[in-house]
Amino acid sequence: DAKTTQPPSMDCAEGRAANLPCNHSTISGNEYVYWYRQIHSQGPQYIIHGLKNNETNEMASLIITEDRKSSTLILPHATLRDTAVYYCIAPNSGYSTLTFGKGTMLLVSP
Amino acid sequence: DSGVTQTPKHLITATGQRVTLRCSPRSGDLSVYWYQQSLDQGLQFLIQYYNGEERAKGNILERFSAQQFPDLHSELNLSSLELGDSALYFCASSVGIMNTEAFFGQGTRLTVV
Repeated sequence: DAKTTQPPSMDCAEGRAANLPCNHSTISGNEYVYWYRQIHSQGPQYIIHGLKNNETNEMASLIITEDRKSSTLILPHATLRDTAVYYCIAPNSGYSTLTFGKGTMLLVSP
Repeated sequence: DSGVTQTPKHLITATGQRVTLRCSPRSGDLSVYWYQQSLDQGLQFLIQYYNGEERAKGNILERFSAQQFPDLHSELNLSSLELGDSALYFCASSVGIMNTEAFFGQGTRLTVV
């Protein structure tokens, strides 16, 4: 897997956009970037993934830089229920398993 | 609800004992993955099965074993349990071999006393 670097923690006010960065400077051309989150002690939840184009779904938006060395997950209107650990993963396309790092602990406050 | 069912939700057992954790994947998913999450280790991949065959193996101890049955449900067997085996055990499933869009169950919390 490409090495990913995320800040250990971030804060966000409820209702504001949460922008979670991820650096993956060693990513290769065919490796996707995936985002999962884990609310305390629950199973991880898939959020979104992308290769080179920006992606949006009902949960979030993913912005990938043109050189693909970094990306940002955007939660447009964060709620208290978005408090979780967010994992950015760039799995090696030759393997079939996800390697979870330490992720970013996002705390959404009232 | 992810559609992945794990039983039991909680399990307390003594050192040296053997337990079996069960996972029912989402309908139609052929791959099942097992992960262990302890406080100091984070989420660790243990093993993957695809359509009944072992596909990938991670940091799984020799005391642990798993299998996937013809109906695609999976069991993780943990034997000669030690205090350090206390953790959350998650099962995930996906349609194909690549688990990059995987759906996780709510986990089994194992406490070894």
